[in-house]
Amino acid sequence: QVQLVQSGAEVKKPGASVKVSCKGSGYTFTTYGITWVRQAPGQGLEWMGWISASSGNTDYAQKFQGRVNMTTDTSTSTAYMELRSLRPDDTAVYYCARTPRDWGQGTLVAVSS
Amino acid sequence: DIQMTQSPSSLSASVGDRVSITCRASQSISSSLNWYQQKLGKAPKLQISAASTLQSGVPSRFSGSGSGTDFTLTISSLQPEDFATYYCQQNYTTAWTFGQGTKVEI
Repeated sequence: QVQLVQSGAEVKKPGASVKVSCKGSGYTFTTYGITWVRQAPGQGLEWMGWISASSGNTDYAQKFQGRVNMTTDTSTSTAYMELRSLRPDDTAVYYCARTPRDWGQGTLVAVSS
Repeated sequence: DIQMTQSPSSLSASVGDRVSITCRASQSISSSLNWYQQKLGKAPKLQISAASTLQSGVPSRFSGSGSGTDFTLTISSLQPEDFATYYCQQNYTTAWTFGQGTKVEI
């Protein structure tokens, strides 16, 4: 069955960067893109961007342009989302999704001095 | 970007009640509308795709309707396990956008 397994929780200081991974299994990794969504504590869901796992083409939300970098490693069927210049309001659970049906378990990123 | 407006933001209901949640898109999205259920600490779970297609394993008391800009999620007889937050989401474009969420409480 399709699985997306994300990396573990991270604690970062303001100004640092974080890189979250999302390993896909149970399907051919390059036939689907990966979408990244985040959810701040007690808040709704926010689309961050999408990457094609075959071409590497990306589409980022304007809010994150210049601060986010999404990549894939097809040799390990893993997608990555790196967010730079972290601020306290970047504290959130970060999710990857292959399709609306298939989501990772989420990765908590806490930003605090 | 396509804006999704969901209402109400919260509702109180009892077991057995019929509940409806509405979602309006800022432009036509055809039937590219999904409904999710989210429980505390868990990833969103897809309940209905393409406006009205019930996902495998989702009880038939859930139904979805609408097309274009106006959509509705209905739970015909609320059960204890249905108390959660529900989100609509458009995937008409790769830039998914979500409604603000509706918290269904006892």
